[in-house]
Amino acid sequence: KAGVTQTPRYLIKTRGQQVTLSCSPISGHRSVSWYQQTPGQGLQFLFEYFSETQRNKGNFPGRFSGRQFSNSRSEMNVSTLELGDSALYLCASSAGTGGDTQYFGPGTRLTVL
Amino acid sequence: KNEVEQSPQNLTAQEGEFITINCSYSVGISALHWLQQHPGGGIVSLFMLSSGKKKHGRLIATINIQEKHSSLHITASHPRDSAVYICAVKGYGYQFYFGTGTSLTVIP
Repeated sequence: KAGVTQTPRYLIKTRGQQVTLSCSPISGHRSVSWYQQTPGQGLQFLFEYFSETQRNKGNFPGRFSGRQFSNSRSEMNVSTLELGDSALYLCASSAGTGGDTQYFGPGTRLTVL
Repeated sequence: KNEVEQSPQNLTAQEGEFITINCSYSVGISALHWLQQHPGGGIVSLFMLSSGKKKHGRLIATINIQEKHSSLHITASHPRDSAVYICAVKGYGYQFYFGTGTSLTVIP
């Protein structure tokens, strides 16, 4: 089976712009979770989608949003980018039954100038 | 206040040594995960535990639900084990909480 794929792998944006990141889960997986990783805060949970519904959301401002399509692919959007949004954004997929193993993608490195 | 605390933050070991990384958490959990992250960012899930002990090769993970504590052990450490090890817990509301990670360097 192919692993989790994320596109693009690297992205440079300027403050005020918006960005959309994409994640394709492992075939058959219905849950996709998104995480932000920064040197200062470490890994932080953004949100989880299961069968096109947001199941949970972390403590991030409303500028961070996401969605999941019927084929389980997911997108994450960040509007009005701030310098502090520079981070590695990781997605992970799982079967979605709760507490099951997550498989991580390689991440998208976002730099905001 | 961090829901997940890991220790030590940094660890240097000689090849062949037995290594222990500890994780304590303060929330109710449905599962605890140990993750490995190599330079460059890729994360691999090593273990998922809800009770007891699991072993995979030279890696052993244990969890004590009553004490809200887990340990990751590496026997006969090798330079390729050098990585950041992250403890993560999944709360009952499907949200993940992460430790800050333990950076392990194994010297030949």
